[in-house]
Amino acid sequence: EVQLLESGGGLVQPGGSLRLSCAASGFTFSTSAMSWVRQAPGKGLEWVSGIGSGYRAYYGDSVKGRFTVSRDNSKNTLFLQVNSLRAEDTAIYYCAKYSGSAWSTLWFQHWGQGTLVTVSS
Amino acid sequence: QSVLTQPPSVSGAPGQRVTISCTGSSSNIGASYDVHWYQQLPGTAPKLLIYATSNRPSGVPDRFSGSKSGTSASLAITGLQAEDEADYYCQSYDSSLSGSIFGGGTKLTVL
Repeated sequence: EVQLLESGGGLVQPGGSLRLSCAASGFTFSTSAMSWVRQAPGKGLEWVSGIGSGYRAYYGDSVKGRFTVSRDNSKNTLFLQVNSLRAEDTAIYYCAKYSGSAWSTLWFQHWGQGTLVTVSS
Repeated sequence: QSVLTQPPSVSGAPGQRVTISCTGSSSNIGASYDVHWYQQLPGTAPKLLIYATSNRPSGVPDRFSGSKSGTSASLAITGLQAEDEADYYCQSYDSSLSGSIFGGGTKLTVL
């Protein structure tokens, strides 16, 4: 059974940083494309970042230059370093496993339960 | 404002059929990129409902179906049940953004 367990969220001041983690199990992590999707309170889903099995990374326009996605295949863990946080970054951050054959065809097959990031002074 | 446009809400009585539209443009759905659908029950993570426009993962009832035409896609739910009350999101790929995009979501109310 695929399991994705996020951690690392919390309350942080504007301009601050956090490192989110996603521990994966139940599938071959090293060959899987992974992603982060967020959801602001009462709002819809927003794709944040994706990383392929070859470590190539992609970002949504709203987080480019501030967020960095990475992975540790030896620990089956996905990370999201979030810097220069703003109030509008307040959201539940979900880790999701991609499925599909090419980057432009990917969908989010499995989702974690999310970790809440609150940016407030 | 989302790149993909969905109606904010739809409703139907138990047993009825409802459809949820997802309208895009020439850089996403109109460029023949696949559309995927997710169901999000209150207080839970999203769940994959339809992938590659019209395919259902195992465990998803055949009451749910997807289709696409031109720059739009649709999710149809037949035989509406109380447990279908949820938020539904479409997702595709946008070539101008080089990334995944979501619709704004549609809240389904079962009357």
